[in-house]
Amino acid sequence: DIVMTQSPDSLAVSLGERATINCKSSQSVLLSSNNKDSLAWYQQKTGQPPKMLIYWATTRESGVPDRFSGGGSGTDFTLTISSLQAEDVAVYYCQQYYTTPLTFGGGTKVEIK
Amino acid sequence: QLHLQLSGPGLLKPSQTLSLTCAISGDSVSSSSAAWNWIRQSPSRGLEWLGRTYYRSQWYNDYAVSVRSRITISADTSKNQFSLQLNSVTPEDTAIYYCLGGYFFANWGQGTLVTVSS
Repeated sequence: DIVMTQSPDSLAVSLGERATINCKSSQSVLLSSNNKDSLAWYQQKTGQPPKMLIYWATTRESGVPDRFSGGGSGTDFTLTISSLQAEDVAVYYCQQYYTTPLTFGGGTKVEIK
Repeated sequence: QLHLQLSGPGLLKPSQTLSLTCAISGDSVSSSSAAWNWIRQSPSRGLEWLGRTYYRSQWYNDYAVSVRSRITISADTSKNQFSLQLNSVTPEDTAIYYCLGGYFFANWGQGTLVTVSS
């Protein structure tokens, strides 16, 4: 199984400041057929289902604010919130879809400092 | 626009069988490019992919090792839906269950809380 390890477990960031979440996969998730990394990011607010933010590691889902960006390649990935807003308080998850079993990271809780 | 409607009981006793159904609109369960998944979420286990079914000239299933001995995912083409059966449930199977289409998941829906308690 591909293990997805997120860090940190939680972080507190001031409003308007940058938040960076890391996700490391235990093996490469690069899909050779399209040369893209099979990694998605989700945001989950309290009491709600997850919402997809990013797929193919860097492609922003339609309607997602451009302060959210995905980066990285191979086995190391990041989700960056360039200017944290109050509505961004949530738990964030990464997920690999390179192979089954599909696996998720343990989540990173983002709070306001 | 893909829409999935999940149905099934929310309360089970230990040793019973969990049965959930996901009705599809906006796509076909036998689409040659789709995959139909079950995922659950609990505080103790986080987000856990349980398995999927998909059609590529024939039906295929992939299951998580953690539930492989207890799980069956099947498709009903006449009703355009897919189903989850999980046998011999325990309180550890208490979770919110989601049905999802694809490989990465843009449409989660609200899911359904399944509680296993005597």
